[in-house]
Amino acid sequence: AQTVTQSQPEMSVQEAETVTLSCTYDTSESDYYLFWYKQPPSRQMILVIRQEAYKQQNATENRFSVNFQKAAKSFSLKISDSQLGDAAMYFCAYRAGGTSYGKLTFGQGTILTVHP
Amino acid sequence: GAGVSQSPSNKVTEKGKDVELRCDPISGHTALYWYRQSLGQGLEFLIYFQGNSAPDKSGLPSDRFSAERTGGSVSTLTIQRTQQEDSAVYLCASSRAGGGFNTEAFFGQGTRLTVV
Repeated sequence: AQTVTQSQPEMSVQEAETVTLSCTYDTSESDYYLFWYKQPPSRQMILVIRQEAYKQQNATENRFSVNFQKAAKSFSLKISDSQLGDAAMYFCAYRAGGTSYGKLTFGQGTILTVHP
Repeated sequence: GAGVSQSPSNKVTEKGKDVELRCDPISGHTALYWYRQSLGQGLEFLIYFQGNSAPDKSGLPSDRFSAERTGGSVSTLTIQRTQQEDSAVYLCASSRAGGGFNTEAFFGQGTRLTVV
């Protein structure tokens, strides 16, 4: 079974600074997708960024980027120029690739606090 | 609809009572998922629907939990004889059919269930 581990229960960052959230996963599959979701106090999960396992190039979405290390099974999220609105719980998630349906396996989450 | 809608937003029930949680997915989304998020934890998969059938019910924690989907649209998650450990946020997500990389799951805001 696939597992996703986030070892940082809480992180904090100063506004405008950079922060990196860690995620490791375990799978025997070669084709899979990885995601970072943001969950603000409204509880609604919002997709931040996604990565295909067979693409070596790290995904980037504006201020958000990932460091995908397939051999190490590591998938960290870097938030640059942090903003107060980035404060939320962040979840790393795994999904099997190919024609498999979209069941997600989530990590335990990291609470990010942004200080003004 | 414009997004995934869940009702009620919050539900307080007495131990031993039955509860029904409703999810109204995005129009045209044939795939629907239920997840459970216990306090401070990641999301735990419960069940997956493709149309009205549920090919994966592996996450339902006990036979007190059941779900159905009618007309390929609205889904209801029913918890019978609720227990205190059932207290959690129940999140619903929907997506277009298939599990391809660009098939994004959209989440509702969840139902916070408190069993007293």
